[in-house]
Amino acid sequence: KNEVEQSPQNLTAQEGEFITINCSYSVGISALHWLQQHPGGGIVSLFMLSSGKKKHGRLIATINIQEKHSSLHITASHPRDSAVYICAAPNYGGSQGNLIFGKGTKLSVKP
Amino acid sequence: GAGVSQSPSNKVTEKGKDVELRCDPISGHTALYWYRQSLGQGLEFLIYFQGNSAPDKSGLPSDRFSAERTGGSVSTLTIQRTQQEDSAVYLCASSPGRGGSPSTDTQYFGPGTRLTVL
Repeated sequence: KNEVEQSPQNLTAQEGEFITINCSYSVGISALHWLQQHPGGGIVSLFMLSSGKKKHGRLIATINIQEKHSSLHITASHPRDSAVYICAAPNYGGSQGNLIFGKGTKLSVKP
Repeated sequence: GAGVSQSPSNKVTEKGKDVELRCDPISGHTALYWYRQSLGQGLEFLIYFQGNSAPDKSGLPSDRFSAERTGGSVSTLTIQRTQQEDSAVYLCASSPGRGGSPSTDTQYFGPGTRLTVL
């Protein structure tokens, strides 16, 4: 079974700062997911990526398949980015099984 | 278009009672998932449906938990003889099912049902 670790667990930043959240996993995978959970509880899928980099607005996700590591970056952070960010990977590696989730990184952006 | 909906949004029940939680997926999505999020814990997979069949029930924590899906659409998660440790937010998600695997399909989450067992 895959093991998914995220760091940091908590992150406080000032508005405008560049944010990096890290995710590592133990078994090679075909795709990794980044999710955002709003303070009210709603969950939104941000990215699904299998190689390289994806960008959406101020959010950038990268993955290094060889190192089994992914990062989520937020440029010019804003208080509305405050949320829990969760990475998820296939439970049994490759594309097998359902998703197993990291414990999440709670981001708080201060004005 | 409409997203994933779940009902009820909140449910308070007494220990030992049975509860049913409902999920309406996005129209046309063939894959449906149930997850549980306990207080301070990460998301935990419960069960996955492809159409009406459940190829993966491995996450159901005990035989008190069951789920069904009829007509390839609505799903119901039933918890019998609820215990206090069942208190959590139960989340449903759906995906188009075209990715070939549940882990390579973008999932769309519902708002969740907060279950409190007294």
